[in-house]
Amino acid sequence: DVKVTQSSRYLVKRTGEKVFLECVQDMDHENMFWYRQDPGLGLRLIYFSYDVKMKEKGDIPEGYSVSREKKERFSLILESASTNQTSMYLCASSSPGLAGFGVTQYFGPGTRLTVL
Amino acid sequence: AQKVTQAQTEISVVEKEDVTLDCVYETRDTTYYLFWYKQPPSGELVFLIRRNSFDEQNEISGRYSWNFQKSTSSFNFTITASQVVDSAVYFCALSEAGNMLTFGGGTRLMVKP
Repeated sequence: DVKVTQSSRYLVKRTGEKVFLECVQDMDHENMFWYRQDPGLGLRLIYFSYDVKMKEKGDIPEGYSVSREKKERFSLILESASTNQTSMYLCASSSPGLAGFGVTQYFGPGTRLTVL
Repeated sequence: AQKVTQAQTEISVVEKEDVTLDCVYETRDTTYYLFWYKQPPSGELVFLIRRNSFDEQNEISGRYSWNFQKSTSSFNFTITASQVVDSAVYFCALSEAGNMLTFGGGTRLMVKP
């Protein structure tokens, strides 16, 4: 069975803190993705990675960075958390495809982050 | 311009009713893929179906069915005899070459007993 796990289901942080969100997949997938989900806006891509140490910006990368040191792990970093980054964060992975074209993505359970 | 539109933000039905979730997409490509995902209250998006642009056959899987019509750029999802466990947010998504997966805003379905 496909399995994507995220380090926390709920997280509360203060403005200005550095925040790490971890995602691990056990399917040996090359592609990994970070999205944020806000009501009425659907899912918006923050960053994706198509290989170890490789990353590409998505639609809304501002205020975020990522790290992929191992194939199975993809981390999202909020360098200095702000209240407008309060959101649901979803990680996904998929097998290879150019920019993920046509390939099914499998999602983790999400992390609901609140920044006070 | 929004590429995937789910005009229904919330739908409420009573158990055993049939319900159709609408999805309209926009693309200039001739080759593309469409997806539906379900997000139950637990939060995890669950993959339901993938359809490529060359396959316009409707698909049925148990109580679920999908109607793909290129002429109207729509990929609608019908649940027959809805159940309380169908309560979730449903997302339609579009995959085009050279672009990331684009999601619609989602439709929240509430099935009441």
